[in-house]
Amino acid sequence: EIVLTQSPATLSLSPGERATLSCRASQSVTSYLAWYQQKPGQAPRLLIYDASNRATGIPARFSGSGSGTDFTLTISSLEPEDFAVYYCQQRSNWWTFGQGTKVEIK
Amino acid sequence: QVQLQESGPGLVKPSQTLSLTCTVSGGSISSGSYYWSWIRQPAGKGLEWIGRIYTSGSTNYNPSLKSRVTISVDTSKNQFSLKLSSVTAADTAVYYCARDAKVGATVPHYGYFDLWGRGTLVTVSS
Repeated sequence: EIVLTQSPATLSLSPGERATLSCRASQSVTSYLAWYQQKPGQAPRLLIYDASNRATGIPARFSGSGSGTDFTLTISSLEPEDFAVYYCQQRSNWWTFGQGTKVEIK
Repeated sequence: QVQLQESGPGLVKPSQTLSLTCTVSGGSISSGSYYWSWIRQPAGKGLEWIGRIYTSGSTNYNPSLKSRVTISVDTSKNQFSLKLSSVTAADTAVYYCARDAKVGATVPHYGYFDLWGRGTLVTVSS
């Protein structure tokens, strides 16, 4: 099983600041990685797939990068609605998720 | 637009079988190139993929749950279902159904979940 480790566990930032979230895989997943956003009481929402492709309707302030074992989700300027938990997910070897990074208001 | 809705008992006794159904509305479960998955999330924890089904009936299961999981599809009702046997308290979670859409123009592939149901909490307790 491929283990995804996300860091940091919590990110405390203010609106307008840049957020950088990390996801590291226990073995290479090439570019087969996605990012999701989850708000309390809601289902996850697909943001990024194949490491760097934005899903339909996702604002341009969300971007993804990386390949192999190291990936980054960047939110260029945090909007109030962006404070949430973010998960990475790989589809290289079955499907597994990271444990999440909470982006909270500082 | 297409929506997914989970339904089923919210309370299941230990050792019994958990049964959930996902109803697809606003579109046919058989249209397009999609797999249909179940994913769960224990309270305050991360997400775990359980398994998926294609409308042909082809299935894939998480190896860690494979011995206890059955996923089926009923295209006439536009539904797919999950059965998880021999449940314990560790199976208490919010269960989501989700759509797995084909992506990639040059090398089409599946594996990302672009549409989710709202989730249903299943508690395993006597």
